[in-house]
Amino acid sequence: AQKVTQAQTEISVVEKEDVTLDCVYETRDTTYYLFWYKQPPSGELVFLIRRNSFDEQNEISGRYSWNFQKSTSSFNFTITASQVVDSAVYFCALKEDPGTASKLTFGTGTRLQVTL
Amino acid sequence: NAGVMQNPRHLVRRRGQEARLRCSPVKGHSHVYWYRQLPEEGLKFMVYLQKENIIDESGMPKERFSAEFPKEGPSILRIQQVVRGDSAAYFCASSPRGPPGGYTFGSGTRLTVV
Repeated sequence: AQKVTQAQTEISVVEKEDVTLDCVYETRDTTYYLFWYKQPPSGELVFLIRRNSFDEQNEISGRYSWNFQKSTSSFNFTITASQVVDSAVYFCALKEDPGTASKLTFGTGTRLQVTL
Repeated sequence: NAGVMQNPRHLVRRRGQEARLRCSPVKGHSHVYWYRQLPEEGLKFMVYLQKENIIDESGMPKERFSAEFPKEGPSILRIQQVVRGDSAAYFCASSPRGPPGGYTFGSGTRLTVV
């Protein structure tokens, strides 16, 4: 069965620091999708990225970057030069059976607190 | 607004009452998913529906909970005889037909049982 582990429950950093949020997943499928979502204090879920298991290229989007390592089943998320607005809970998620629409399995989330 | 619409945003029910949560998917999306987020926890899958069909309800509690996605109108998650433990945020997501299935989430309904 699929599983997503976010071992870091809470991280506190000072503004402008870089921070990496870890995500480790388990799946028996050879093809799957990985996602990151942000949940700010207002409570909604904001989509950040979706990654196909066949595409191991790292991705950068502004201050955000993602490191996908299939060999270690990890999909880590780094925020460079963090800002107070980055304070939120971040969820990693896995979708198996990419040939069909199916559920997402979420990790328990990492709460990021960025202070001045 | 082309996103997933959930209403109400906040819902307060007394123990024993019924709660009805509504979800209108993105126009053109034929797949709807319900997730529950208990306080300080991650999202847990509840049920996956297509129009008039329940595809996967492996995450639904066996009693008091039901879901539907009729041919016309929004998807409804119904909780009968609510208890304090049902207090949570309930999120709905939709995706288009077929792979790879990009998900759009609604803003959630926060249910409080008093």
